[in-house]
Amino acid sequence: NAGVTQTPKFRILKIGQSMTLQCTQDMNHNYMYWYRQDPGMGLKLIYYSVGAGITDKGEVPNGYNVSRSTTEDFPLRLELAAPSQTSVYFCASSYQNNEQFFGPGTRLTVL
Amino acid sequence: DAKTTQPPSMDCAEGRAANLPCNHSTISGNEYVYWYRQIHSQGPQYIIHGLKNNETNEMASLIITEDRKSSTLILPHATLRDTAVYYCIVRDGANNLFFGTGTRLTVIP
Repeated sequence: NAGVTQTPKFRILKIGQSMTLQCTQDMNHNYMYWYRQDPGMGLKLIYYSVGAGITDKGEVPNGYNVSRSTTEDFPLRLELAAPSQTSVYFCASSYQNNEQFFGPGTRLTVL
Repeated sequence: DAKTTQPPSMDCAEGRAANLPCNHSTISGNEYVYWYRQIHSQGPQYIIHGLKNNETNEMASLIITEDRKSSTLILPHATLRDTAVYYCIVRDGANNLFFGTGTRLTVIP
């Protein structure tokens, strides 16, 4: 199993641009999550999903959107990139309330 | 906001036990304590979790006080590869993890 994969690894955006961060898991996990990690800080939950077609806001959802059309994929959309969204983004998945498995992260810089 | 308090950094000699403390005085009765670690800038890695009882697995032991207001993660024989940031996390009923800033453990040769 590849586990949780994220693309791209790195990205530089200009202010106002949009992009989609991709996340895929091959463990048939029903729960998926998006976190952001600012320098020197812990992770903060952006959005999560408990199954296909179901999404919910986390701690810091403003400026982001998600969708969950399949069990495997949970893309994160940034519509109007702002410098405050410069961060490392981690996707994770879990089976029910069990431990979460994290992807390698996407490092995003907005200039 | 994070529901846990941890020391910002600790050192441990290689081969010795590393004891990482965590305070979670506002924890609710149905909230679990989870420990994850993050090596360099990789994604966090699950270590162990518990509710009331002490737990042990192949990586570590978790000691939770009887009042559940604090816990200690024990790495029995620390190696250089255990150098990482360790996060003590309280998981709410929706399986959301609230990360703090963690403890940076440095294992010294």
